Amino acid sequence: GQQLNQSPQSMFIQEGEDVSMNCTSSSIFNTWLWYKQDPGEGPVLLIALYKAGELTSNGRLTAQFGITRKDSFLNISASIPSDVGIYFCAGQNTDKLIFGTGTRLQVFP
Amino acid sequence: EAGVTQSPTHLIKTRGQQATLRCSPISGHTSVYWYQQALGLGLQFLLWYDEGEERNRGNFPPRFSGRQFPNYSSELNVNALELEDSALYLCASSLWGFDTGELFFGEGSRLTVL
Repeated sequence: GQQLNQSPQSMFIQEGEDVSMNCTSSSIFNTWLWYKQDPGEGPVLLIALYKAGELTSNGRLTAQFGITRKDSFLNISASIPSDVGIYFCAGQNTDKLIFGTGTRLQVFP
Repeated sequence: EAGVTQSPTHLIKTRGQQATLRCSPISGHTSVYWYQQALGLGLQFLLWYDEGEERNRGNFPPRFSGRQFPNYSSELNVNALELEDSALYLCASSLWGFDTGELFFGEGSRLTVL
């Protein structure tokens, strides 16, 4: 099945550090989204981007919708222990929402 | 307000058997989606139902099927189970379609095929 290329695959960082992850696709999407999945839970939407070039913030999270509409990045500033989880990018068109391969984040105190 | 609920939480089957998973969407949501999450991998789109109709289907064989009932709840059936069908099956709902991309997910049903 189709998946978006997400990197890095995993990250081990110290509390307080900043984190950056990105997502690329060979296809154009109308909307880019970032979800987070906590252990034992379903993914939850963190941030949505609706226009190419858009830069959006949500607290310590910042995400951008690439100009080409084929990529997006997510930054997390000043990480805290509850940031632990799997982060997924997702590209949306009219009849589908395709997820990335995921970035597993571990935060150490 | 209740979120998306899925049952059973865990299911163990043997090769060749059939599995049925169930999902109740958030009240007022008409679209239901099914995704497969194999261990260590991302979410693979399986099926999208809206108003009782199958609207789109991912790249999965026909032995993966489902339906949506008049109350918008949904069921996923997997026939002739294979070992590689072992995965977490996530159900999600939205008001209608992938319009905004925001799907509300349940906690999933973990299927183990022995």
